[in-house]
Amino acid sequence: AQSVTQLGSHVSVSEGALVLLRCNYSSSVPPYLFWYVQYPNQGLQLLLKYTSAATLVKGINGFEAEFKKSETSFHLTKPSAHMSDAAEYFCAVSPTGNQFYFGTGTSLTVIP
Amino acid sequence: EAGVAQSPRYKIIEKRQSVAFWCNPISGHATLYWYQQILGQGPKLLIQFQNNGVVDDSQLPKDRFSAERLKGVDSTLKIQPAKLEDSAVYLCASSLDGYNEQFFGPGTRLTVL
Repeated sequence: AQSVTQLGSHVSVSEGALVLLRCNYSSSVPPYLFWYVQYPNQGLQLLLKYTSAATLVKGINGFEAEFKKSETSFHLTKPSAHMSDAAEYFCAVSPTGNQFYFGTGTSLTVIP
Repeated sequence: EAGVAQSPRYKIIEKRQSVAFWCNPISGHATLYWYQQILGQGPKLLIQFQNNGVVDDSQLPKDRFSAERLKGVDSTLKIQPAKLEDSAVYLCASSLDGYNEQFFGPGTRLTVL
């Protein structure tokens, strides 16, 4: 069975500090992995995706994530948080690239 | 390029009433998804269409939920009758061919009283 675990439903960081949002997955096959961001009252927007190419994936808005097969992790990072990064972040796994399974989300608060 | 459109944006109904949501995907996208997002949870796939055929509806409560995608373009999701636990945001997404990025609409927030 496929599943995604996001550790920490709420994360707070100071503006300019490192952002680290954790995601661990389980999959019976090497998966596709995604990070989505959701701003209030909006749909989800793709930040980045891993599709078995480079293990370090760069996305939009300065975010990146590293696929670590040995740890079954795909943590999202950003070196310096901006106020505009405050949002809900979802990790998703897709074993086939077709069907998606989402984590429960992490709410990021950026403190001025 | 126009995004995924959904309507209405908000709906409040009483339990046992019926409700329908509409979704217009991005032009040319063959795959369409309906998700249910309950407050504090991630989106859960309800149904996936490839053109006008159903690919996956394993998590759709078929005793009360139905969906169709006539002509392989627009789609409607219906709940009849609604229960309190159906209160959620219903998200529609589309993808070029089911193996690429999903583009999400803004969602319809349903409140069942």
